[in-house]
Amino acid sequence: GQNIDQPTEMTATEGAIVQINCTYQTSGFNGLFWYQQHAGEAPTFLSYNVLDGLEEKGRFSSFLSRSKGYSYLLLKELQMKDSASYLCAAVRSTGFQKLVFGTGTRLLVSP
Amino acid sequence: GAVVSQHPSRVICKSGTSVKIECRSLDFQATTMFWYRQFPKQSLMLMATSNEGSKATYEQGVEKDKFLINHASLTLSTLTVTSAHPEDSSFYICSAKTGTGTDTQYFGPGTRLTVL
Repeated sequence: GQNIDQPTEMTATEGAIVQINCTYQTSGFNGLFWYQQHAGEAPTFLSYNVLDGLEEKGRFSSFLSRSKGYSYLLLKELQMKDSASYLCAAVRSTGFQKLVFGTGTRLLVSP
Repeated sequence: GAVVSQHPSRVICKSGTSVKIECRSLDFQATTMFWYRQFPKQSLMLMATSNEGSKATYEQGVEKDKFLINHASLTLSTLTVTSAHPEDSSFYICSAKTGTGTDTQYFGPGTRLTVL
């Protein structure tokens, strides 16, 4: 079966650091994506991890542990514009490399 | 690069009518396109996978005769919601990727469908 778990909501203050966790159970796992989605808009690509370890890209970093079925997205120096939903999506290798999305974590950044 | 467009962005229709949504990859050729549906405060649910020149593959529980998908070229896929009902009201999003491997999916801006 496919199961992706993320916290529903998180709050943080401007300038802080926040870590959004994601656990997954996906058959045929072949990597994990993080997307950002503002309300009423389409998701935008943030990161992709296929090997264990940390991928850093500016203020955003993503980590993957395949043995633990665990990933996190780390956001540093939070800005108000970072208020959005963050979607964790596991790649399911079924020929078409489908994405299985979690329910998303709504992050609210306050002043 | 990697821009995906959708048209229309919003559509309101009467119950029983059909609605066509277009998804275009503007600056790359999309071997595979995906159609998702997203209800308020929920995540994206994959409806079907579309490959150019072949029949779409539908996820379990998605009626292929109700949601018609055509992927006629490497830059265009269409989703037609036939005989729409109020419960079909949702945010429909397409994505496209270049190859059959684990390439990044690039999402369109979505289409808000409201069925009265």
